[in-house]
This record gives sequence, structure tokens and C-alpha cells, in this order.
Amino acid sequence: DAKTTQPNSMESNEEEPVHLPCNHSTISGTDYIHWYRQLPSQGPEYVIHGLTSNVNNRMASLAIAEDRKSSTLILHRATLRDAAVYYCILSRNSGGSNYKLTFGKGTLLTVNP
Amino acid sequence: DTAVSQTPKYLVTQMGNDKSIKCEQNLGHDTMYWYKQDSKKFLKIMFSYNNKELIINETVPNRFSPKSPDKAHLNLHINSLELGDSAVYFCASSTQGYGYTFGSGTRLTVV
Repeated sequence: DAKTTQPNSMESNEEEPVHLPCNHSTISGTDYIHWYRQLPSQGPEYVIHGLTSNVNNRMASLAIAEDRKSSTLILHRATLRDAAVYYCILSRNSGGSNYKLTFGKGTLLTVNP
Repeated sequence: DTAVSQTPKYLVTQMGNDKSIKCEQNLGHDTMYWYKQDSKKFLKIMFSYNNKELIINETVPNRFSPKSPDKAHLNLHINSLELGDSAVYFCASSTQGYGYTFGSGTRLTVV
């Protein structure tokens, strides 16, 4: 699987937007970009995924660069509950057989009140 | 209703024992997984089953044996437990086009 690079940690203030960057310069044309987060003492939680176009859901937005070599997860208004480790992951498919997510170190997001 | 449930939540056992962790999903997903998160917090895939068939088998000691009696269940049996097996084990499920849903984890401590 192609590799991703994320900052080790980021800080944000409550109710402000957060932009979490991810570099994936070796991404292939069929790689999906996935974001998961892991809150303390919990299992990872799906946040969002996309292939080429920007994506929005109730949790976040995913902005994908035109060349797909980087992406940004956007939390529009951070809350204390958003403090977690955020993982940016590339995977050759999205669901079904042989669907494997390889987790890296992720970005530890701290949200200040 | 918990989507992916694992039992037990905590497991403390002595070296050399055999133990099992159970996982059930009620999402109708066709693929299930076991992941291990060690003390350094790295999450590594161990196994994946699709409709009861083993699909992914990473480099895991053969003391670990997954069993899938049906597509809603994936259990993990560990023989001759070692200190290094201490970790949090997560079960997950997925289906085409959707992300993984993880369970809340089983914290295994081998003493």
C-alpha cells in the first residue's frame, strides 16, 4: 500500500475549524483516501473517504488536491469530543474482499476549550 | 444495539493458557477483520474473512487461529499465550463501498 505522511500532532481551539493535512505523493490512480479517527480507549471510527472529488458528510469534509498527492480533512467546528488520533489511509478498494486498511501513526489532535 | 460487539472487554490470563475472543456484527456486512493494537498504539491487521472464507492472513504466529462460523461472527483463538500477546484486539466489519465499523476492543493482558 502507498504511504501517507501526517504531522504527529496538531492543536485547535474549540468551535474553530481544523484542517488536518495528509501527503500521499505515491498514490496510484485506484487508491481511495480514507480517514479514520480513534478517540481515547475506543476503537477506530470511520470519518470519510474519497477517490478524486471533494466529499462532505455530517462529520467532516475531505478536500483532495487535483493531482491527488495530498488531501485535507476539515472539521468545520471542533469540539472537545473531536480530540482523537486521526489516520489518513490509502486503500486499493472501498469495501468487499481484499479490502485492507493499513494504519500509520496518525495525527494526535488536541482541542483546547 | 451494538453494531460490532466483542467479548470479553478485558481478559487477564497467565502465560501458556489458551483463550478466545468473540466478535459479532449485526450490520449485514460480508467481511470481518481482526486487528491488534500494541503498546505503541500501532494498529496492525491480522486476519480478514469474507463470507466465512479467509481472505487476508498477515504474518501472525500460528498460535492465533481465527474461526468464522457464519458471516456475522469471527472469533479469535490464541494458544499458549505469551507476554508479547498483551495488546488490545479489535474486531471490525465492512462491506462494499462503506468504511470499517470497529468494535470497542478487547484488552488482553498476559501475566
